Amino acid sequence: DAKTTQPPSMDCAEGRAANLPCNHSTISGNEYVYWYRQIHSQGPQYIIHGLKNNETNEMASLIITEDRKSSTLILPHATLRDTAVYYCIVSNPGGSNYKLTFGKGTLLTVNP
Amino acid sequence: DAGITQSPRHKVTETGTPVTLRCHQTENHRYMYWYRQDPGHGLRLIHYSYGVKDTDKGEVSDGYSVSRSKTEDFLLTLESATSSQTSVYFCAISERVVRDEQFFGPGTRLTVL
Repeated sequence: DAKTTQPPSMDCAEGRAANLPCNHSTISGNEYVYWYRQIHSQGPQYIIHGLKNNETNEMASLIITEDRKSSTLILPHATLRDTAVYYCIVSNPGGSNYKLTFGKGTLLTVNP
Repeated sequence: DAGITQSPRHKVTETGTPVTLRCHQTENHRYMYWYRQDPGHGLRLIHYSYGVKDTDKGEVSDGYSVSRSKTEDFLLTLESATSSQTSVYFCAISERVVRDEQFFGPGTRLTVL
């Protein structure tokens, strides 16, 4: 699986958009980009995933660059409850490897 | 929320004792996973199951065994617990392969003295 690089921490003001970057320059054509988050002491929570096109759901938007070497997770109106560690993961869903490799992620702190 | 429970939620045990953690799901999902989470290491996959009686090793499987005799239950056993196995253990499920989101349980905090 391709590796990812994320900043260790970011801050965001409540009510503003939080833009979390992820670099995955070695991503291969059949690998998807997944985002999960983990609020303190809880199990990780799935947010969104995509292959090449931008994706949006009720939680967030995922913007993937045309060359697919990086992506950005956007939380449009961050709240205090969005404070969490956000993980960007790349994985091939069709491969024999079933696992998701969680790196260290980005600690997003939403400030009042 | 996906129907995943883990038991016990907290356990303190002594080195050398056997420990079994249980993950129970009500979603009838085929795939189940056990992860451990330690400071500085993130989540690491211990074992996973792709069906009843079908299991395989993850990246940190030494010292752990698993069993899945029913779709809804995935057991993680530490045959002889060591202090290095002090960790938070998370179970996860997914309906199909990795492309589907994984739903995580609330975790079990295990302390081995």
